[in-house]
Amino acid sequence: DAKTTQPNSMESNEEEPVHLPCNHSTISGTDYIHWYRQLPSQGPEYVIHGLTSNVNNRMASLAIAEDRKSSTLILHRATLRDAAVYYCILNYGGATNKLIFGTGTLLAVQP
Amino acid sequence: DAGVIQSPRHEVTEMGQEVTLRCKPISGHNSLFWYRQTMMRGLELLIYFNNNVPIDDSGMPEDRFSAKMPNASFSTLKIQPSEPRDSAVYFCASKTDGPNSPLHFGNGTRLTVT
Repeated sequence: DAKTTQPNSMESNEEEPVHLPCNHSTISGTDYIHWYRQLPSQGPEYVIHGLTSNVNNRMASLAIAEDRKSSTLILHRATLRDAAVYYCILNYGGATNKLIFGTGTLLAVQP
Repeated sequence: DAGVIQSPRHEVTEMGQEVTLRCKPISGHNSLFWYRQTMMRGLELLIYFNNNVPIDDSGMPEDRFSAKMPNASFSTLKIQPSEPRDSAVYFCASKTDGPNSPLHFGNGTRLTVT
């Protein structure tokens, strides 16, 4: 199973951009890259996903390296409500639907 | 769309008792996942179903744990007998088929076994 590697923690200041990295060097051609976040005392929630091209939605942007071995979740202006654990996972394109979460990155946002 | 519904939200029980956690996936979602979260081990995948059939239960810790999905709108995770080390938050999640469909989580059941 392909795995992802993320820093354990990061800090940001409010209203500044945040770049959360993820390495997935063993990714295969049909694997989608998904990002989730977990706010305190809540279940994880979907943020964004992509395959090859960069993606934008109302929550964030996803930048995917050309070789697809890494990606970066971009929060354009961090707010205190963005303090959470961010998970990068691979959604396999094959027959299996196994979705395994790593330890994620704990993002702290300072006012 | 009511989202994934889990019950109960909190469960406190004594060691040795049977515990049943319940989950109603989002209508139309045909994959259902059970996860367990603890500080020590993070978010662990226990088992997942596709079209009501268990596909992979390799994450189920031991025979005391069992999961069923009798129909597309209901699943249970049972622990019998429960032990203090089973204390955790248990999440249910559902999705449609395909690698580009996101996973939707419930709010979890916080289980405390004394």
